[in-house]
Amino acid sequence: NAGVTQTPKFRVLKTGQSMTLLCAQDMNHEYMYWYRQDPGMGLRLIHYSVGEGTTAKGEVPDGYNVSRLKKQNFLLGLESAAPSQTSVYFCASSYATRNTGELFFGEGSRLTVL
Amino acid sequence: GQQVMQIPQYQHVQEGEDFTTYCNSSTTLSNIQWYKQRPGGHPVFLIQLVKSGEVKKQKRLTFQFGEAKKNSSLHITATQTTDVGTYFCAGDTTDSWGKFQFGAGTQVVVTP
Repeated sequence: NAGVTQTPKFRVLKTGQSMTLLCAQDMNHEYMYWYRQDPGMGLRLIHYSVGEGTTAKGEVPDGYNVSRLKKQNFLLGLESAAPSQTSVYFCASSYATRNTGELFFGEGSRLTVL
Repeated sequence: GQQVMQIPQYQHVQEGEDFTTYCNSSTTLSNIQWYKQRPGGHPVFLIQLVKSGEVKKQKRLTFQFGEAKKNSSLHITATQTTDVGTYFCAGDTTDSWGKFQFGAGTQVVVTP
């Protein structure tokens, strides 16, 4: 099993450019998440999804859009990148049951916006 | 909104010593989870606590969930160099079940 796979792993953008980060999981998980990690601020939830075709906002959704057209994929889009979006982005997925809500994380995508 | 705070932010520990990191929530939690992230790596799940007052042990690690389900702690005994990393707690609430909010983490440095 590949688990949670994120692509690309590294990307450099210029201010105003757009891009999409792809997250794929092969564990048939219902819940999927996008977090960003910045020094000293832990992991902040951007958007999440509780199932195919549904998405919801997290703590820091502004400037990002997401889509969950297929259960195994969760896409994070930046329409017009800003330097403040320079960060490491982590995707995670979960069975999300009351006793086994473990989040499985991808290896991260490092984005730099110049 | 819900806030999850962790203290301390940094912890320098001599190898062999014990230490504790704390997690406090502004709201009552449904579940709390703990994760470890090695430098340059991704967060890896350690444990989930669900019940009020719950205590779980994993070898040298002891996890507690407060009676009011608003705080939690991770205690590590006889610290080893392999314990280096950042430890995060994450909690959800009954209103936002499955929507896990993370604390800022405790970065642990171990001195041989």
